[in-house]
Amino acid sequence: DADVTQTPRNRITKTGKRIMLECSQTKGHDRMYWYRQDPGLGLRLIYYSFDVKDINKGEISDGYSVSRQAQAKFSLSLESAIPNQTALYFCATRLAGGNNEQFFGPGTRLTVL
Amino acid sequence: GIQVEQSPPDLILQEGANSTLRCNFSDSVNNLQWFHQNPWGQLINLFYIPSGTKQNGRLSATTVATERYSLLYISSSQTTDSGVYFCAVLYSGYALNFGKGTSLLVTP
Repeated sequence: DADVTQTPRNRITKTGKRIMLECSQTKGHDRMYWYRQDPGLGLRLIYYSFDVKDINKGEISDGYSVSRQAQAKFSLSLESAIPNQTALYFCATRLAGGNNEQFFGPGTRLTVL
Repeated sequence: GIQVEQSPPDLILQEGANSTLRCNFSDSVNNLQWFHQNPWGQLINLFYIPSGTKQNGRLSATTVATERYSLLYISSSQTTDSGVYFCAVLYSGYALNFGKGTSLLVTP
């Protein structure tokens, strides 16, 4: 089984809808991240969490919110989706005190019509 | 913030050829990772290499932290090597800063 899983893997939704993307990990890592990737670009950070009670905004947090339900689960929500949020979304994890290596989930392809 | 520049932006190779991808970064970093994004969009960890040299099969990487660059070598390329290769650095202690990638196409 994959260490970092994301659901759904693909989603098409309409403008104005609320949508939640979920991430789960079995790596035992405490740090979790949400990134988005737009065509032809690298990834940019949306939110990150160092533990269940520690959530921080990243570079492009506007229009998004997150919830860290447990150490192993980190969800990303779009309260009212808009077309320019169409992108590939990645969840990542890292172990604090480790070697700083981040591990990524398989990604969620989101299309907002 | 830190700048991460990758070159070349695009590369086309014939199967069996070798290639070198470069990543330049503008400041000291705590971490450097190379990823391969396959045609299905998945990010595959290739190397965690803040300094030194590592090898994994046909791939190897070298980071010269004092000169702020890293190189990814692909030898005897195969069609399955096609995709986008990203360099990412950990600068501020919490998130990776990605370059724009090198898009590689290996033809039969």
